[in-house]
Amino acid sequence: DADVTQTPRNRITKTGKRIMLECSQTKGHDRMYWYRQDPGLGLRLIYYSFDVKDINKGEISDGYSVSRQAQAKFSLSLESAIPNQTALYFCATSDLQGVDTQYFGPGTRLTVL
Amino acid sequence: GNSVTQMEGPVTLSEEAFLTINCTYTATGYPSLFWYVQYPGEGLQLLLKATKADDKGSNKGFEATYRKETTSFHLEKGSVQVSDSAVYFCALSVGGTSYGKLTFGQGTILTVHP
Repeated sequence: DADVTQTPRNRITKTGKRIMLECSQTKGHDRMYWYRQDPGLGLRLIYYSFDVKDINKGEISDGYSVSRQAQAKFSLSLESAIPNQTALYFCATSDLQGVDTQYFGPGTRLTVL
Repeated sequence: GNSVTQMEGPVTLSEEAFLTINCTYTATGYPSLFWYVQYPGEGLQLLLKATKADDKGSNKGFEATYRKETTSFHLEKGSVQVSDSAVYFCALSVGGTSYGKLTFGQGTILTVHP
C-alpha cells in the first residue's frame, strides 16, 4: 500500500462549490504539506503543518484552508472554488530527522468549471 | 527571497545521449539542494540531494554537484534511457523560519526516444 494517499484522484466541480481534498499517510511523519502544481510554475506551497497543533500559511494560501485532524491526516479545502484553482494538488510528508526529504502522494487533479 | 531557476524545456534526447539540466538558485543562508523526479501520473520522488558546498549527490546514474561559487546544482547523466522520461524539479531548503520548506524550480520535461 502507498505511504501517502490522496482522495479523490480526480475531481471536476463548478465555480462557487466547496470542495475538500484529503491526504492520509502511514509513514508516521509529523510534518505535512499541501502544494499545487501548474504548468511552467513548478510546485508552490499552500499550507504546511509541523504537528497537529501547528498550521502555517505557505506562499499561496488565499482561497484555501486546511485541517489537521490527526498526525496522519491533513485536509485541504476550497471554500468557494474558482476556475484559476484548476491545478494538480499534491500532499507531502517529512519527518524531523530527514526534514528536507519530502514524500509525495500521487496527486489530485482538480478542474473548476 | 529564495528562488530556483531551471533551464527551459522540454528536452528531447535519443537513448544513450548525455543529459544536462541546468539549475541555479538564489537563497539566504546556506541551502540544501535537491533534485526531484516526477514520472507520468505519479507524485514527486527524491532523486538526489546535497547539503553543503562541493558535495555531490548521486543516484540511478544521475549526479549533481553543489557549486556555491556559481550558485548552481546542474543535473547530469552520462547515458539516458527511455525510462528516464519524466519531469525533473530542482529545489532548495534553508534553515531558520523556513526550515523544512522546499522552494521548487518550474520543472524540466525530459523525453527520451529509443
